[in-house]
Amino acid sequence: AQSVTQPDIHITVSEGASLELRCNYSYGATPYLFWYVQSPGQGLQLLLKYFSGDTLVQGIKGFEAEFKRSQSSFNLRKPSVHWSDAAEYFCAVGGNTGNQFYFGTGTSLTVIP
Amino acid sequence: DSGVTQTPKHLITATGQRVTLRCSPRSGDLSVYWYQQSLDQGLQFLIQYYNGEERAKGNILERFSAQQFPDLHSELNLSSLELGDSALYFCASSPYGSGADTQYFGPGTRLTVL
Repeated sequence: AQSVTQPDIHITVSEGASLELRCNYSYGATPYLFWYVQSPGQGLQLLLKYFSGDTLVQGIKGFEAEFKRSQSSFNLRKPSVHWSDAAEYFCAVGGNTGNQFYFGTGTSLTVIP
Repeated sequence: DSGVTQTPKHLITATGQRVTLRCSPRSGDLSVYWYQQSLDQGLQFLIQYYNGEERAKGNILERFSAQQFPDLHSELNLSSLELGDSALYFCASSPYGSGADTQYFGPGTRLTVL
């Protein structure tokens, strides 16, 4: 069955520190992978997506993610976190075998000064 | 601003009542998705429409129904409301409704059932 797992419910980092949010997926076909961010009281906004090609994907706001097929992972990274990055982050997977689209349960990021 | 609009922004109603949530997709997008976000269930996919036709169905209760109109706006109808239906309801739209599409989310409608 298709699914997305975000093992970390909540992460706290200091401003300026590096960040890595984990995402593992289970999908029977070629996955399309996404990271979305949700600021408090807002809808979700796409940070980046991976379809094929280079496994390191650059997104908005200085985020990047690396697709590792052997580990079924698509972890999100940022070298230096800003206070404005505090938000909820969702990993999602879609595919070309149908219209299924699955979100993870989200990781809440707190940034301390 | 994603270009997806949802009305109303907030809705407070009583148990047993019926409400309708409205969504207008981005210009040019043919597909609309509905999601429910609650503290205990997370972000749950409810249903997807493409150009007026139902395309995929997720964890949508029988008390809930949706449709997409010829002008591509969509409505989500929630009936016989229960306390547990209190949640944030998001609409998203995408150009082609495929798994590869980026979905653009509206700001949500917060439903409170008292």
